[in-house]
Amino acid sequence: DADVTQTPRNRITKTGKRIMLECSQTKGHDRMYWYRQDPGLGLRLIYYSFDVKDINKGEISDGYSVSRQAQAKFSLSLESAIPNQTALYFCATSDSSPATNEKLFFGSGTQLSVL
Amino acid sequence: ELKVEQNPLFLSMQEGKNYTIYCNYSTTSDRLYWYRQDPGKSLESLFVLLSNGAVKQEGRLMASLDTKARLSTLHITAAVHDLSATYFCAVGRTFAGGTSYGKLTFGQGTILTVHP
Repeated sequence: DADVTQTPRNRITKTGKRIMLECSQTKGHDRMYWYRQDPGLGLRLIYYSFDVKDINKGEISDGYSVSRQAQAKFSLSLESAIPNQTALYFCATSDSSPATNEKLFFGSGTQLSVL
Repeated sequence: ELKVEQNPLFLSMQEGKNYTIYCNYSTTSDRLYWYRQDPGKSLESLFVLLSNGAVKQEGRLMASLDTKARLSTLHITAAVHDLSATYFCAVGRTFAGGTSYGKLTFGQGTILTVHP
């Protein structure tokens, strides 16, 4: 089983709809992140959370919200989807262990298309 | 604002040849990562570089970091088809009183294709 699981894997929705992407992890990491990948732009940070009570905006948070329901669960919501939110979304985790040097562990991604 | 630029963005290589991918970044950073992404897949960590002059090697890939030049390189030796993938560098920002944790700024990615 994957350590970082994202659902759904693919989603097509219409402009104006609310949609939630979910992420759960079994790695026991405190820190969780949502990134968005667009062709030619690399990945950009949307939101991050260092523990259940900590939520922070990343560089492109407008139009998104998040919820950290538990240490292992971090969901991303698009309140009113628009076509330029069509992208590949990744959830990632990290921990403070020196052994991992805070590198990110990524889920398999959710391909979202907004029509 | 931290900017990270990779070049080339597209690289077509023959098997057996050597080549280098470059990653330039604009401000001081405390760590640099290289990730690999296979088509339709997630990202996998390759290297973490933490200090000036750091060099890491695994198989046919070798990464290095020059913090004074704000430059990292990923060198490919005797390329094979299995190395075909997209390679990203990512840089952590240094904040006063702390490190960057996982708040990374990614380069655009280099799409590498190795052909016979």
